[in-house]
Amino acid sequence: QKEVEQNSGPLSVPEGAIASLNCTYSDRGSQSFFWYRQYSGKSPELIMFIYSNGDKEDGRFTAQLNKASQYVSLLIRDSQPSDSATYLCAGNPSKIQGAQKLVFGQGTRLTINP
Amino acid sequence: GAVVSQHPSRVICKSGTSVKIECRSLDFQATTMFWYRQFPKQSLMLMATSNEGSKATYEQGVEKDKFLINHASLTLSTLTVTSAHPEDSSFYICSAQAPANYGYTFGSGTRLTVV
Repeated sequence: QKEVEQNSGPLSVPEGAIASLNCTYSDRGSQSFFWYRQYSGKSPELIMFIYSNGDKEDGRFTAQLNKASQYVSLLIRDSQPSDSATYLCAGNPSKIQGAQKLVFGQGTRLTINP
Repeated sequence: GAVVSQHPSRVICKSGTSVKIECRSLDFQATTMFWYRQFPKQSLMLMATSNEGSKATYEQGVEKDKFLINHASLTLSTLTVTSAHPEDSSFYICSAQAPANYGYTFGSGTRLTVV
C-alpha cells in the first residue's frame, strides 16, 4: 500500500461548481498534510496545509482532515478555469534530523470546464 | 517570504557529461533541503535529503555516486548528475521547509535533457 494515495483522475468539474479532491494515507504517525497545485511544466505551489482534525478554510479552498479515517480532502468552491491543474496531496510520515520529508500522492488532474 | 531559487531552469547535455543544479533559499536558512525527480505524468519522487554540513540521506534505489549532493552552507544545496544518460532526463525539483506557516517551498525546477 502506498503511503499517500490519490485518485489520479482526470476529474472534470463545470465552472462555478465545487471540486472535491481526496487523499488517503497509511501511516497513522503522519502529522501534517499539504495540498499543492502543479501546472504542467511547472513546480508545485503550496495551496494550504492542515494538521488538526476538522476543516481549515482559506478563500475558496477548504482542507479537511479526518485522522481516524486517515483521510484528507480539498474542496475548491466556485471553480475557475484557472484552477485546472494537477493537485498533489502530501504527508510527512517520518522525521529526519529535525526536518520532516514529504511523501506525495500520485496527483489528481482537475479540469474546470467553462 | 520563503523563496527557493533553483538554477538552471533548463539544461541539455551530452551523454557521459555531468550537470550541476543549484538550489538556494533566498530569505531564510535551510539546514535541510530535499531533492525530487518527476517523470512526465508522474508524481514527485523523493531522491534524497540534503543536510547542511553532513552527508545526504538517499532514498532506496537512488545511486549516491551518480547523484552527488553537497550542502555546504545554510542557503545552498547542489545536485550533480554525474555521467548522465538519456534515462536521467527528467524534471528535478528542490524543496526546503520554510519557517512556520510557509510549509515546504519548492524551487522552480530544472528540466534536464540528456542527448
